[in-house]
Amino acid sequence: DARVTQTPRHKVTEMGQEVTMRCQPILGHNTVFWYRQTMMQGLELLAYFRNRAPLDDSGMPKDRFSAEMPDATLATLKIQPSEPRDSAVYFCASEYNEQFFGPGTRLTVL
Amino acid sequence: AQSVSQHNHHVILSEAASLELGCNYSYGGTVNLFWYVQYPGQHLQLLLKYFSGDPLVKGIKGFEAEFIKSKFSFNLRKPSVQWSDTAEYFCAVNSYYGGSQGNLIFGKGTKLSVKP
Repeated sequence: DARVTQTPRHKVTEMGQEVTMRCQPILGHNTVFWYRQTMMQGLELLAYFRNRAPLDDSGMPKDRFSAEMPDATLATLKIQPSEPRDSAVYFCASEYNEQFFGPGTRLTVL
Repeated sequence: AQSVSQHNHHVILSEAASLELGCNYSYGGTVNLFWYVQYPGQHLQLLLKYFSGDPLVKGIKGFEAEFIKSKFSFNLRKPSVQWSDTAEYFCAVNSYYGGSQGNLIFGKGTKLSVKP
């Protein structure tokens, strides 16, 4: 049963620390998305890649967020430095006709 | 810009009541339509999708949705809800422009609470 996996599932950190979230897309899916979900804003698209190339990262705060896909089996989302307003659940999704979501990383920045 | 509207923020029903959640989108071209469900504390899972063909789509767990192109709508229905249907429901649309598939645009979600 192919699934998108994400690590860590939960992360608590202090303001100013670097946070790295990882995603393993489903093998063969060539499009990978990063979303952020908060109570106030709902589900927001942060960035996405197709065939490992970044296509759109306009949803990300550029000064502190970065997204990469070093190979076809790994996508990363990094926040440096983190701030309390970054507290959210971050979902990765991979796509082949439809999007399959990972379990999310629940980030709390104190 | 394309948008997806879900009219109800929170719906509260008793078990066995019928459900209809509204979804309207703004794009006039070729679209793919989706409903996702997010159970408390879990990730989004696909309930059903429409790409083409029969506009009445049947999904998992007894859900169905009807694509009405003239109304730009894709409402979700279930004849009799259960307590286990308590979740948040997201409508999503992606569109084709210039031969390319665009990004999935999500509605804000509708929280469904089913009272036992």
